Amino acid sequence: GEDVEQSLFLSVREGDSSVINCTYTDSSSTYLYWYKQEPGAGLQLLTYIFSNMDMKQDQRLTVLLNKKDKHLSLRIADTQTGDSAIYFCAESMGGGATNKLIFGTGTLLAVQP
Amino acid sequence: EAGVAQSPRYKIIEKRQSVAFWCNPISGHATLYWYQQILGQGPKLLIQFQNNGVVDDSQLPKDRFSAERLKGVDSTLKIQPAKLEDSAVYLCASSLDPGSFGNTIYFGEGSWLTVV
Repeated sequence: GEDVEQSLFLSVREGDSSVINCTYTDSSSTYLYWYKQEPGAGLQLLTYIFSNMDMKQDQRLTVLLNKKDKHLSLRIADTQTGDSAIYFCAESMGGGATNKLIFGTGTLLAVQP
Repeated sequence: EAGVAQSPRYKIIEKRQSVAFWCNPISGHATLYWYQQILGQGPKLLIQFQNNGVVDDSQLPKDRFSAERLKGVDSTLKIQPAKLEDSAVYLCASSLDPGSFGNTIYFGEGSWLTVV
């Protein structure tokens, strides 16, 4: 079935690292994504990882993929108040012209100054 | 590069009324998506177009929802008649080619619908 799960809420202090976790169901997903949604705004693509990779680093963001456990995580180093938002992980399903994204429920990250 | 444009941003209607949302994707993007995001949930795909053809509408409640992309560019999503549970943000998104590397999907800011 199509089910992507995330914890609902994470609170950290400014300057600390944040780790947001996600589990997905489709082992054939080719790409996994992290999107950020600020209040009243659309979804902003943060980063993505190809399924044959274990890790991807992009400035303050580190994505870890454990394909055996179908577990994806997003680490934000030196978290800032501007990082406060809802973070969605998403897996790609289908293939070719039918490729689509299945989103998790989102994790609300609150950064305390 | 201009992003995905949507209008209206906000709409309040009474139940059983109709509403239409418009989307203009990024220039050159062949694939267009409509997602529904209910408060507290992740976006759920309603319909996916490839150029002006429907690729996936399996999650679209066809008794009340319809969508079209007649010339393969702009798209409209219509709800008639609206129900209270249709209150949500309707997100339009586009991508160059669903099979392309990374399949980067770009989202608009959404159209917020409240049905009272």
